[in-house]
Amino acid sequence: AQSVSQHNHHVILSEAASLELGCNYSYGGTVNLFWYVQYPGQHLQLLLKYFSGDPLVKGIKGFEAEFIKSKFSFNLRKPSVQWSDTAEYFCAVNAGNRDDKIIFGKGTRLHILP
Amino acid sequence: GAVVSQHPSWVICKSGTSVKIECRSLDFQATTMFWYRQFPKQSLMLMATSNEGSKATYEQGVEKDKFLINHASLTLSTLTVTSAHPEDSSFYICSATPLSTGANTEAFFGQGTRLTVV
Repeated sequence: AQSVSQHNHHVILSEAASLELGCNYSYGGTVNLFWYVQYPGQHLQLLLKYFSGDPLVKGIKGFEAEFIKSKFSFNLRKPSVQWSDTAEYFCAVNAGNRDDKIIFGKGTRLHILP
Repeated sequence: GAVVSQHPSWVICKSGTSVKIECRSLDFQATTMFWYRQFPKQSLMLMATSNEGSKATYEQGVEKDKFLINHASLTLSTLTVTSAHPEDSSFYICSATPLSTGANTEAFFGQGTRLTVV
């Protein structure tokens, strides 16, 4: 069965700091990988996704993630965070089949101090 | 982009009553929709996979008779919480993947339904 592990439950950073949120998944086959963001009081939004090709994917709002197959990882990065990045971030995976369920990590709550 | 709409956005009901939540894909068709549940400050937990024209597939630990799922068309899935109790209070979210796209595509999420059982 697939599973997703997010290492950091709660991260607090100052504005302009660099961000890296860890995500590891457990699944032996082809996977699709996602990072979603949930701003306070809002619904899930897709930040970025990896299906195939270049393992370094760029998403919206300056976020990027790198798929490292050998490490089963898909860490999210942003070189300089802003106060508006305060939100909850979810890493997610599905098994490469468009009808397959998406499994979410427990989420990382990010607080950016102004 | 593709839009998934849930209705209602929030609902309060009395303990023992049933509540129906609708999930509609507004501008695309989907043979499969997914229902998630999110407790406060926690992640989304997959409850079930809704299959158009056939029975839903439930995740382990989810009561089929309590959470009834119907997927009668390619644009609509409904989740009915039967005999709701306060512990069923939660945020319910659905997602759907467009039918017409290829194997690799993203899922689109509804805005969620906040259920409060009093």
